[in-house]
Order: sequence, then structure tokens, then C-alpha cells
Amino acid sequence: EAQVTQNPRYLITVTGKKLTVTCSQNMNHEYMSWYRQDPGLGLRQIYYSMNVEVTDKGDVPEGYKVSRKEKRNFPLILESPSPNQTSLYFCASSLSRGDVSYEQYFGPGTRLTVT
Amino acid sequence: KNEVEQSPQNLTAQEGEFITINCSYSVGISALHWLQQHPGGGIVSLFMLSSGKKKHGRLIATINIQEKHSSLHITASHPRDSAVYICAVSRGDYGGSQGNLIFGKGTKLSVKP
Repeated sequence: EAQVTQNPRYLITVTGKKLTVTCSQNMNHEYMSWYRQDPGLGLRQIYYSMNVEVTDKGDVPEGYKVSRKEKRNFPLILESPSPNQTSLYFCASSLSRGDVSYEQYFGPGTRLTVT
Repeated sequence: KNEVEQSPQNLTAQEGEFITINCSYSVGISALHWLQQHPGGGIVSLFMLSSGKKKHGRLIATINIQEKHSSLHITASHPRDSAVYICAVSRGDYGGSQGNLIFGKGTKLSVKP
């Protein structure tokens, strides 16, 4: 089954404790992206990757790191989480061919609470 | 001012009604996306379009590039259409990457039986 998986689905952690949220897709998509969703602010893009070893900042990259060492995985790293990073996080992937956009496939979401 | 504006924010309809959700944007784009977020939180892509009109079942999406405006229509609405509908654009201006997406705040639709 074609899908985007995220782990963990739920996480409660403390300020400053490094964590990684994994994202994996089995559709051989070039493009992957991370978003956060907050009440009243909607979805905002954190980082995206057009292909392996290519990553770019979205609109809210502060406090996050990503890497794209292989096509299927795009982990989101919070080196020193803070309470303002409490949010619902979504990973997504899509095909990418030059300047042509394709529909995005979303993961189920990861609800992160930082105390 | 937000770069992607949706209206209305909330919409209540009776089953069977024709529904329109609007999206206006102020940046250059390479594509526009309509997404549906279910009450359980999952997000699915409904349409991705860069010109004209697309139809899938009871859903129709249109875009007017000159006016920087898109509409999502639902014909013969049903309670199972109750969800949040989100407009997003892939940036295509000032050398911006089409991988950079910006989102509207969503329209919460409730369809009553």
C-alpha cells in the first residue's frame, strides 16, 4: 500500500531533550516536506527537500533540522525542543519533475507536547 | 496580510446544498492545491491545478490565474463532506522554489442532514 508513515504518532517530552520524528514513504517520491499545524495559524512549512541531499527552509525553520540521505526517509530533528514547538506535525511527499508540481500525500501526523 | 486568504472561515449547509469555498492569493504560483482535513486529523489532497478546471465526483475546482483566485465547489453536499478544506499554493515567484508551500487557514464545513 502506498503510504507515508510517521513515528512516533504521539510524544510528550521535556524542554531540551533532543528528539527525532521519522518520516518514510514507499512511493519513490522525490519531494518530501515537513509542516506544523497550530490552532489559529493553520499549516506552515518547516523544511522541504526536492531530492536526495537537497533541502530548503520553509517559513518556520527555526529550532528544527532535517536531512535527506536517502530518497525514502526525511527525519525531523529537534535538537533542543521548547514549549513553543508543541504542535501537530505532518510529513508529506510527492513526485517532482522539474518545475511541475504534483499532488501531495500526507502522513498521519505526530502530536508533540513539550513541557 | 496573509498571502493566501480563504473565505468563509466557517460554513454550515443543509444536505443537498451547493457549496462554494473561495481562495485568493497574492504571490506568484506554480500550482494551487485543495486539501481536505477530516475530523480525525488526516489530510488528503483533493486537487492540484495550475489552470482551468478539474472535476472529481461531486467536487469541482477552478482557478483564475489573472485574478489570483480559486474556488472549490461541492455539489449535492452530504454530511460526510463535513471537514476542513484548506487551500495551499506552491510558490513560483522571485526565484522561489515551487517546493515552498504556503497555506490558507482553512474553511470548516459542516453539512447537516
